[in-house]
Amino acid sequence: DQQVKQNSPSLSVQEGRISILNCDYTNSMFDYFLWYKKYPAEGPTFLISISSIKDKNEDGRFTVFLNKSAKHLSLHIVPSQPGDSAVYFCAATQVNYGGSQGNLIFGKGTKLSVKP
Amino acid sequence: ETGVTQTPRHLVMGMTNKKSLKCEQHLGHNAMYWYKQSAKKPLELMFVYSLEERVENNSVPSRFSPECPNSSHLFLHLHTLQPEDSALYLCASSQDGEFGEKLFFGSGTQLSVL
Repeated sequence: DQQVKQNSPSLSVQEGRISILNCDYTNSMFDYFLWYKKYPAEGPTFLISISSIKDKNEDGRFTVFLNKSAKHLSLHIVPSQPGDSAVYFCAATQVNYGGSQGNLIFGKGTKLSVKP
Repeated sequence: ETGVTQTPRHLVMGMTNKKSLKCEQHLGHNAMYWYKQSAKKPLELMFVYSLEERVENNSVPSRFSPECPNSSHLFLHLHTLQPEDSALYLCASSQDGEFGEKLFFGSGTQLSVL
């Protein structure tokens, strides 16, 4: 059974508007969450992360929100740009005793298309 | 060359063939990984090498055989694969076995097994 779920395989948004990508998880032991972005013919690259001690982390146009009680996180992109068109993967992990992050459990990804 | 480089980018092979995927990292990392992404499935960790020793094998079939001759190179040897092994195979590297933000991926090899 999937521990990290991205239930929307695709999302289409107009340039300048907000993109909201959602992710749900089932394992309550996860305490660190990440978003990766993947362009065609390239490997995934790290975008933004959030620790379970926070409920929001912002980096420029990208903000990740975490709702621990609902086991839900979301990535907001404002304003959306055509260059944001890519597949976005949600991932979750546990931080080890030494402070390092363990193996990432990924969702299936959501393909975002931002139309000019 | 910078980052993590994978060759070939695309590979088509028959079920009786033997082929190898190659990965090279130029980041000075000491841990390397193989991931698999099948169609409509999440990215899954296959193998972890840290300091050139295998530290994790997530129950991968023996028809996949990894090799890590040094900290910069990683191979995945393939033999007698099945059509369901068709997938995108991604190599990644990091320092000291760190995951998360410190994981750097290559562009992948798109494998088709006929």
